[in-house]
Formats: sequence, C-alpha cells, structure tokens
Amino acid sequence: QKEVEQDPGPLSVPEGAIVSLNCTYSNSAFQYFMWYRQYSRKGPELLMYTYSSGNKEDGRFTAQVDKSSKYISLFIRDSQPSDSATYLCAMSGMDSNYQLIWGAGTKLIIKP
Amino acid sequence: DAGVIQSPRHEVTEMGQEVTLRCKPISGHDYLFWYRQTMMRGLELLIYFNNNVPIDDSGMPEDRFSAKMPNASFSTLKIQPSEPRDSAVYFCASSLDRVGFLDTQYFGPGTRLTVL
Repeated sequence: QKEVEQDPGPLSVPEGAIVSLNCTYSNSAFQYFMWYRQYSRKGPELLMYTYSSGNKEDGRFTAQVDKSSKYISLFIRDSQPSDSATYLCAMSGMDSNYQLIWGAGTKLIIKP
Repeated sequence: DAGVIQSPRHEVTEMGQEVTLRCKPISGHDYLFWYRQTMMRGLELLIYFNNNVPIDDSGMPEDRFSAKMPNASFSTLKIQPSEPRDSAVYFCASSLDRVGFLDTQYFGPGTRLTVL
C-alpha cells in the first residue's frame, strides 16, 4: 500500500461546478500538506499549503485537512476551463525527514 | 527571474547511449532536487542537494544514474548506459532554505527522455 493514495481520474466536470479532489494517507506523522497543480507538459507549481488540521482558503480554492481520518481535500469553486490540469497532493513530516511524499495526481477536466 | 531552467527539453536516444540532463536553479536557492515522473510511478525524488552537496540519493534507481552539482548555478543528471525503462520526464526543482521541503519547490519545465 502506498503512503499517499490519490485517484488518478480523469475527473470531468462542467464549467462552474464545485470540484472536490482528495488524498488519503497512512502516516500519522505527516504535518505539512500541499497541493501542486501541473498543466500539461509543464512542471508542478505550488497551489496551496497547510499545516496540521483545518481549512485554508485562497480565492476559489479551499484546502482541508482531517488528520483524524488521514484525509485531505482540495475544493475548487466556480471551476473554469483554465483549471483543467493534474492536481498532485504532497505531504511531509518528521518521519519522512520532511521529504515530500507525493500522490499520483488527479487529472481534472473542466468542460466549457 | 527566469525560473528553473532545464535542457534539453526533449531527448531521444538509443539504448546504451549516455544521456546528460542539465539544470540551472533559481539564483539564491539553497536546495536542488531531481525528480522523475512516469504514468506508472508518478513523481519520484531521485536525489537532492543542499548548498551543492548531495544529501540523499536513496531514490536513484541504480548505479547507472549519477548526479553532480559543481556550483550553485548548475547541476547534471547522467544516465550511462541508458535503457528503455528510463524513458520518463525528468524534473529539476529548487527551493530557498532548509525547510526546503516545507518551502515552495519551484519546478523547471522538465526534460522528456525517450530511450529507444
């Protein structure tokens, strides 16, 4: 079993929909949780970063961490075709010597 | 800043040939990472450097892979000899300070390697 599980998709939704992307993990020592966005044929770029549990909001994006369930989510409101990309979760903690452990990425397609 | 620069962007080579991938990190960044990305295995950390010194190369798949960072502005990843299973996109990333893993990693555009 991988340390970080993420459904590869693709996830296809109509423009304007609320999107929910998720990752589960097994290592309870993870404390730092990140979402990277990767457009086709580009490198990943950091989208959101949260520490420990709770929510963090940035514009149309909300990152949520539930450490008790070992589950993190990224919500995208009012989704746009420009949000079409692969979204990778990544996490780290003292156990991993703070090295990022990556999910496989979920391919998201927003249909106009 | 131009961001992380990688070259070449595409490389097609034949099995057994030597391949050298190059990376110029963002000026002033202390950490440099080499990743490999495939559909099957996702994004894998191969090796990372701090202040030009290799810190952890446990992700390097085998002795055919080697990486160097002769100065703060240049790093290479070499595969010799190359094999078809090395075909992947290789990314270089850099970040600013120790909590390098907690700090933003800035990725280059990647080198798409195809070994025939």
